[in-house]
Amino acid sequence: DAKTTQPTSMDCAEGRAANLPCNHSTISGNEYVYWYRQIHSQGPQYIIHGLKNNETNEMASLIITEDRKSSTLILPHATLRDTAVYYCIVRVGGAAGNKLTFGGGTRVLVKP
Amino acid sequence: EAGVAQSPRYKIIEKRQSVAFWCNPISGHATLYWYQQILGQGPKLLIQFQNNGVVDDSQLPKDRFSAERLKGVDSTLKIQPAKLEDSAVYLCASSSTGHTDTQYFGPGTRLTVL
Repeated sequence: DAKTTQPTSMDCAEGRAANLPCNHSTISGNEYVYWYRQIHSQGPQYIIHGLKNNETNEMASLIITEDRKSSTLILPHATLRDTAVYYCIVRVGGAAGNKLTFGGGTRVLVKP
Repeated sequence: EAGVAQSPRYKIIEKRQSVAFWCNPISGHATLYWYQQILGQGPKLLIQFQNNGVVDDSQLPKDRFSAERLKGVDSTLKIQPAKLEDSAVYLCASSSTGHTDTQYFGPGTRLTVL
């Protein structure tokens, strides 16, 4: 699986959009970009994933650059409960049960 | 839909003792994973099951760790004997075998080895 690079930490203001960048310059054509988050003392939680098109669900939006070498997770209106470690992961999708390789993630602190 | 269940939530043991963790995946999920998460790091896969067969156990320290999923549903992870460096959170996850195969995680078991 391709390696990802994320900032170690970032702060954002409650109610504002949070934009979390991720670099994955060695991504292969069949690898998806996945985002998970981990709130303190909980297991990781799936947020969203995409291959090359932008994706949106009830939690977030995922913007993938045309060359697929980077992506941005957008939390449109951050709340205090969005404080967590966010992991960007690239992996082959569609096949049964490919493991997730977690890096260090971005520690996001939402401030009032 | 019930999530992934794990027990116990916390366990404290002394080094060289043995310990076991239990996981009940989401109903119908064929794939089950055990991850180890050391404080300050991301989770690391220990073992992956497809039904009751092992798919990947390349990162499992087999001299002291073992895992089983006898009937393709519940799973048990055992450590014997435990070392200080085994102190970590042990996470269980499960996924279906559909196109998206999203992994859903349990709350984890926090192990402290003294």
